[in-house]
Amino acid sequence: AQSVAQPEDQVNVAEGNPLTVKCTYSVSGNPYLFWYVQYPNRGLQFLLKYITGDNLVKGSYGFEAEFNKSQTSFHLKKPSALVSDSALYFCAVRDGNYGQNFVFGPGTRLSVLP
Amino acid sequence: DTGVSQNPRHKITKRGQNVTFRCDPISEHNRLYWYRQTLGQGPEFLTYFQNEAQLEKSRLLSDRFSAERPKGSFSTLEIQRTEQGDSAMYLCASALTSGSAYEQYFGPGTRLTVT
Repeated sequence: AQSVAQPEDQVNVAEGNPLTVKCTYSVSGNPYLFWYVQYPNRGLQFLLKYITGDNLVKGSYGFEAEFNKSQTSFHLKKPSALVSDSALYFCAVRDGNYGQNFVFGPGTRLSVLP
Repeated sequence: DTGVSQNPRHKITKRGQNVTFRCDPISEHNRLYWYRQTLGQGPEFLTYFQNEAQLEKSRLLSDRFSAERPKGSFSTLEIQRTEQGDSAMYLCASALTSGSAYEQYFGPGTRLTVT
């Protein structure tokens, strides 16, 4: 069965600084990896995905994520944080070889301080 | 707006009552998912439909829960004999499965409070 870990409940970063939100995963087959963001009183919004190909994936709002197979990680990054990036971020994984069940991590709350 | 919509947005009910939630997916999306999210947790998969067929159900989906997607368009999730532990945000998502890799688009959710 697949699983996702987000080791940090909370990440604080100053505006303009680079940010990283960590995600590690476990699947038996090929990992399909996703990042979503959730703003208060709004649904989850898709940011980016890794399926195959280049390990560095670029997504919405200037976010990118790096797939690292040996470390089973898919960390979310942004070179320069904005206050408006403050939200709850979820990493998700689907086993590409089995089923349609997306498994989400517990979420990491990002606070960007002005 | 052509996003995923869910109704109602909030539902307060007494323990033992039945409730039904509705999800309207993005019109051309063939796959529809239901999730449950509790405070401080990520969404937990409940079930999904490919068109009108319900293809997978989680162990979380007890026999008090039933979902339908008649005609492969909107979907309903019914909870019978609600319990306090059913209090959560219920999320619906839809996807267009052209190929094997696709992202889900989520609705705003229905927050259920069982008193």
